[in-house]
Amino acid sequence: EADIYQTPRYLVIGTGKKITLECSQTMGHDKMYWYQQDPGMELHLIHYSYGVNSTEKGDLSSESTVSRIRTEHFPLTLESARPSHTSQYLCASSNSVPQGDGYTFGSGTRLTVV
Amino acid sequence: GQNIDQPTEMTATEGAIVQINCTYQTSGFNGLFWYQQHAGEAPTFLSYNVLDGLEEKGRFSSFLSRSKGYSYLLLKELQMKDSASYLCAVRPGTYKYIFGTGTRLKVLA
Repeated sequence: EADIYQTPRYLVIGTGKKITLECSQTMGHDKMYWYQQDPGMELHLIHYSYGVNSTEKGDLSSESTVSRIRTEHFPLTLESARPSHTSQYLCASSNSVPQGDGYTFGSGTRLTVV
Repeated sequence: GQNIDQPTEMTATEGAIVQINCTYQTSGFNGLFWYQQHAGEAPTFLSYNVLDGLEEKGRFSSFLSRSKGYSYLLLKELQMKDSASYLCAVRPGTYKYIFGTGTRLKVLA
């Protein structure tokens, strides 16, 4: 079944560690996105990609990096985790056409930095 | 600036009808989306409007007025499982969205 997968689902890590959050989709979507969401708050765009070897920064990108070497894979890396990074991270994908399909979201990674 | 406003919380009774409003001010407009998000889960796509008018999908309908920067999501025959947050999102350009903070709906028996 076509879907979008995020791992790990939960992660507790110490300050200063480097971490990579994984996201893979099997729907053949060309557009992929990373969002950050705190409880009861809006989603904030961190990074997005229009296709292979294309990445763009969103609103909260300064402390993380992404890569898009394969269509299906869009990992997010925090070089040095801080307590302020504690949040839920949601990966999403979409197709260019049709425009009305909306995003498909992964189940999210809940990150706690101690 | 770009802004999306929704009520923070609403409460309704099982079997009733509820309307969740959304107003927006964005630099452009290329579609408005509604998502449902249960606590601790990812959002799921509900509806899409790009032209003025009403779009109906079973118990859920969504309305758009572009001239007023206004949309609403109408939920009929409410069920307990409809208790969730409902997110309004606008796509100002080609691909990126701006999300509202969401409306937390509680359905009471």
